Amino acid sequence: DSGVTQTPKHLITATGQRVTLRCSPRSGDLSVYWYQQSLDQGLQFLIQYYNGEERAKGNILERFSAQQFPDLHSELNLSSLELGDSALYFCASSAPGYTDTQYFGPGTRLTVL
Amino acid sequence: EDQVTQSPEALRLQEGESSSLNCSYTVSGLRGLFWYRQDPGKGPEFLFTLYSAGEEKEKERLKATITKKESFLHITAPKPEDSATYLCAVDAGNNRKLIWGLGTSLAVNP
Repeated sequence: DSGVTQTPKHLITATGQRVTLRCSPRSGDLSVYWYQQSLDQGLQFLIQYYNGEERAKGNILERFSAQQFPDLHSELNLSSLELGDSALYFCASSAPGYTDTQYFGPGTRLTVL
Repeated sequence: EDQVTQSPEALRLQEGESSSLNCSYTVSGLRGLFWYRQDPGKGPEFLFTLYSAGEEKEKERLKATITKKESFLHITAPKPEDSATYLCAVDAGNNRKLIWGLGTSLAVNP
């Protein structure tokens, strides 16, 4: 158990809908990262927040947005969902350091029908 | 362009048959190289961080080493429970993003 929690574990929705994925980082970690992993694909970095502020951006679609709240939990919002958005979405967290070792949550499996 | 390449893509071993996984990287400046293990449908599990050439780290049957161009994950006398995808990632320090390899899928047969 990494100490990172994600909810829900599974999410099934229809095209065009909007969903929110939630992540709670490990106690003391200030950074939260979001990744997408499609079937047989590598991890795709979406976005990083550090202590409430956006720090780095990856291949995140305009239909997707995220935020980190004062209690450091984070939410990833996915809107106008398409079939191709079906994937595992992982959250990771890290403590500040020379290089930030990321600890991953169990993921949310999103299925868009 | 910063890049991480893992080989082989897939590896099948017999229980007890030792082998090595490779992670080659080309980055402008290495701050750290990470190894993770990922089981199907689960989040990656952190294994090791290596910071500079010559460094080695061990955990049970796994040993990670690194040179200026590549890292190896050596698996000694593997067991079926070592079956997983092993991921390598590099922190090049230039934009706070890790560069991930596509992983090596390891299957250990009893």
